Amino acid sequence: DVKVTQSSRYLVKRTGEKVFLECVQDMDHENMFWYRQDPGLGLRLIYFSYDVKMKEKGDIPEGYSVSREKKERFSLILESASTNQTSMYLCASSFATRTGGNTIYFGEGSWLTVV
Amino acid sequence: DQQVKQNSPSLSVQEGRISILNCDYTNSMFDYFLWYKKYPAEGPTFLISISSIKDKNEDGRFTVFLNKSAKHLSLHIVPSQPGDSAVYFCAARLTGSARQLTFGSGTQLTVLP
Repeated sequence: DVKVTQSSRYLVKRTGEKVFLECVQDMDHENMFWYRQDPGLGLRLIYFSYDVKMKEKGDIPEGYSVSREKKERFSLILESASTNQTSMYLCASSFATRTGGNTIYFGEGSWLTVV
Repeated sequence: DQQVKQNSPSLSVQEGRISILNCDYTNSMFDYFLWYKKYPAEGPTFLISISSIKDKNEDGRFTVFLNKSAKHLSLHIVPSQPGDSAVYFCAARLTGSARQLTFGSGTQLTVLP
């Protein structure tokens, strides 16, 4: 079974704090993703990475950065948390498209509240 | 610009009846379509998919239909069960795209006992 593990399920942070969300996958997937889910807006892609140290902006990268130092680990960083970043954050991973990767596997999500 | 649209935010169905969830897309370069199911406080899980070269794919109670000319796909659940109550996301893959999937906004399905 594919396992995508997000280190924190529930976090409460103050405005202006730096926040780290960690994600680890155990399937040797090339691709890793960070999404956020908000009611009525679906799943919006923040950043993705198709290889170690490689990253690409998604649809809503503003206010976020990412780090991928190892293949199995993808971190999302909120440099200075703001209340509009209160959301559910979902990490995901998949094989590269060229090798037949069609399905993305998600972690259980991290609920972040910024006060 | 939303390339994948789910125009119904919610749907209620009686247990045992058919649930039909709809999804429209605008980009004719999408070559693969997937449905994900999401319970509250959990990550989405893959449900069923269809390649653009097919018009139907069936897996147990779940069937996905693709109408390429209309750029429309639908998910049929027969018979619906209370455990099917969840948010369903439609997703589409762009050929050769590293970002892989574009998701719709989701439809909340409630199956009433």
